Amino acid sequence: EDKVVQSPLSLVVHEGDTVTLNCSYEVTNFRSLLWYKQEKKAPTFLFMLTSSGIEKKSGRLSSILDKKELFSILNITATQTGDSAVYLCAVDLGGSQGNLIFGKGTKLSVKP
Amino acid sequence: DAGVTQSPTHLIKTRGQHVTLRCSPISGHKSVSWYQQVLGQGPQFIFQYYEKEERGRGNFPDRFSARQFPNYSSELNVNALLLGDSALYLCASSLAGTFADTQYFGPGTRLTVL
Repeated sequence: EDKVVQSPLSLVVHEGDTVTLNCSYEVTNFRSLLWYKQEKKAPTFLFMLTSSGIEKKSGRLSSILDKKELFSILNITATQTGDSAVYLCAVDLGGSQGNLIFGKGTKLSVKP
Repeated sequence: DAGVTQSPTHLIKTRGQHVTLRCSPISGHKSVSWYQQVLGQGPQFIFQYYEKEERGRGNFPDRFSARQFPNYSSELNVNALLLGDSALYLCASSLAGTFADTQYFGPGTRLTVL
């Protein structure tokens, strides 16, 4: 059975801290791994990763994929209260279907 | 450009009723996917449509059905509602739903079944 596991499930930090969110996967087919941020309703796209070892960066957020060890990490440096959200990791299984398999998410709370 | 839009935003139904949820994709996007997100869980794939054809179906009962219209908007229908159908229903659109094609999500419809 295809599965995506995120850890930790929840995390509380203070502004200015650096956090690392983890995502591991076991899937039959892999096309890409995606990270989304979900604050209230709509998950908003952060990164798509397809190749191992290539870091993607956007401001204080960065992510990298390890296809050999089947995991990805999302780093957030100098956290701000606006980073508080659920961070979702998803794997695109490829093939003729465009469906994503999601993890349960990591709920990040950033305290002032 | 407008993002993915969904209607209604909230809906309350009773067990056994039927519900129709609507989604309009980003302009130019031809693929629409539907996901169910139960509280505390990640979204779970229900359907994907591309060019009005069903491309993929997740592990959901036949009470769930969907269709896509010529303008690429989509409807998700759920019959004989159960309490367990209470969830946030998310619609995502992409250009063609293929390789390296990012899915963008709408705000969702919050369905409560009493």
